Parts: sequence; structure tokens; C-alpha cells
Amino acid sequence: DGGITQSPKYLFRKEGQNVTLSCEQNLNHDAMYWYRQDPGQGLRLIYYSQIVNDFQKGDIAEGYSVSREKKESFPLTVTSAQKNPTAFYLCASSRDTYEQYFGPGTRLTVT
Amino acid sequence: RKEVEQDPGPFNVPEGATVAFNCTYSNSASQSFFWYRQDCRKEPKLLMSVYSSGNEDGRFTAQLNRASQYISLLIRDSKLSDSATYLCVVFPQGSGTYKYIFGTGTRLKVLA
Repeated sequence: DGGITQSPKYLFRKEGQNVTLSCEQNLNHDAMYWYRQDPGQGLRLIYYSQIVNDFQKGDIAEGYSVSREKKESFPLTVTSAQKNPTAFYLCASSRDTYEQYFGPGTRLTVT
Repeated sequence: RKEVEQDPGPFNVPEGATVAFNCTYSNSASQSFFWYRQDCRKEPKLLMSVYSSGNEDGRFTAQLNRASQYISLLIRDSKLSDSATYLCVVFPQGSGTYKYIFGTGTRLKVLA
């Protein structure tokens, strides 16, 4: 089945630790995205990548880093510099400017 | 003015009712429009793309009004299972990037 997978579904970390969230897609989409969603809020764009080995900052990139070494994979690292990392993180992909498809998300809790 | 605006609701409607949501956008050059449904603590799922001629999928109808820069979603014969948050998404053509703009969503509660 084609789709987007994110792992893990729930992640718990201590403050000060970096953590990497996985996102994989087998839809053959060129573009991939990371969003953050806080309770009762809309989606905010962290980073996006239109092609392999290239990515751009979104609206809230501070404290995050990404890589795009393969078309299928777009991991997100939440660094210790991110002041409020606890949130619901969503990965998405799209073909050109067509609809985006989302993974099931990772809920990160940092204490 | 926000790039994409939605009434946050909640819209509380009885089962079987017809309900409509609007979403306004500020970039007149926008070309691609979508409605997504998001259930509590889940990922958004594509409900329908919105075409210039409008489109219908069962009980759901989406319309685009370019002159007034808004898209609409009509749900007929509401079901309890339609309770969710509906997100309006716009792709601002000509931006040079693949950056979709999301509304904050409209909450719908269908009551028995």
C-alpha cells in the first residue's frame, strides 16, 4: 500500500536532548513537509523540501533541522534549542502543487 | 489580513441538517484549493479538491468563488460521523515555492 509512515507514534524525551522524528513515503512524491500542531491550533510549517538534497525553512524553523538525502525520507530533528518542543508533528508529501497527503503524526512530549 | 481565514465555530447542527462553511483567501492568484477533514488527535485527511467548476462527492459539495475570493463546503444530511474540524487549504500559485497555506479550521459538531 502506498502512503506515508511516521515513527514513533508517541515519543518522550528529557529537556536538553535532541530527538529525530522519522518520515518515509512510497508515493514517489518530490515534495515533503513538516508541520507542527499545538492543541486547538492550526498547522504551522517547519521545513519543506521540493527535491532531494534541497530544503527550505518554513514559518517556525528555529530549533529544528532536516535532511533530504533520499526522495522517500525526510527526517526532522528537534534540537535542544527549540524552546517549546512538546507538540503533534505531522509529515506530508505532495506531487507538484496537487493535494498533500499526511502521515499519522508523532506526539512528542518533552519534560 | 490572514492569507486564509475560516470561522472557527463550533457549528452545532442536528443530525440530518445541511451545513455550509466558507473560507476566504487573500492571494487572488491562488490556483489550487482543498478541503481537509481532521478528527481529534489525528492527521488531516483530504476531503476534496476544489475546482473552478465546483465539485460534488456524495453529500459534500465544494464551490469556488474567484470574484469574492472564497471557497465553500456544503454538507447535506449531516451524520454524527461528520463531526470533525474542516481545514481549508490554499496553494498560492506563483509563489515559487511549494508552500501550502492552511486555515485554522472550522469545528463541526453533529448532534443526535
